[in-house]
Amino acid sequence: SQTIHQWPATLVQPVGSPLSLECTVEGTSNPNLYWYRQAAGRGLQLLFYSVGIGQISSEVPQNLSASRPQDRQFILSSKKLLLSDSGFYLCAWSRQAGPYEQYFGPGTRLTVT
Amino acid sequence: AQSVAQPEDQVNVAEGNPLTVKCTYSVSGNPYLFWYVQYPNRGLQFLLKYITGDNLVKGSYGFEAEFNKSQTSFHLKKPSALVSDSALYFCAVREGDSSASKIIFGSGTRLSIRP
Repeated sequence: SQTIHQWPATLVQPVGSPLSLECTVEGTSNPNLYWYRQAAGRGLQLLFYSVGIGQISSEVPQNLSASRPQDRQFILSSKKLLLSDSGFYLCAWSRQAGPYEQYFGPGTRLTVT
Repeated sequence: AQSVAQPEDQVNVAEGNPLTVKCTYSVSGNPYLFWYVQYPNRGLQFLLKYITGDNLVKGSYGFEAEFNKSQTSFHLKKPSALVSDSALYFCAVREGDSSASKIIFGSGTRLSIRP
């Protein structure tokens, strides 16, 4: 069966510090990968998605970047965090083409102080 | 462009009563529709999906959803609510099945089941 991991689970970082959140998927190959941000326990904002190694699509211009160095690894980064980067970050995967659902990781709670 | 709407921010139901969480969608082609549940400080869990075929879809934890093409709706239902069903529910739509097609999520409905 497939599993998706995210770490860390919680993170408190000062404004201006760098960020690196990691997501890995097990039990499948060549998945689509996604990064979402959820503010105030409500709607999801799609930040990035990837259909393959090194292929990243950005949905909104912002202070964040994403990379996919390996097939089942997706990393969310920032060089300098802003207060507005605080939120709940969710990674998800889905199979490639087809009417497939996404499966979500447990999330990372980021607080920028 | 595809979109999905959840018109109710919150739904309150007494335990044992039936529940409905509403969802409407807009797509130009055939819709693929999904429901997810989120418990506090957790990721979203997939409940069920509609692709084609029978308009009544059964999913996890006793939930089901009814696809209505004429009303462009995909309401989530359960015959008898449990207190443990209290959570945040998201409807989502995917337009097309290419590798580049994305899932669009609604804004979420908070379901509260009172004992």
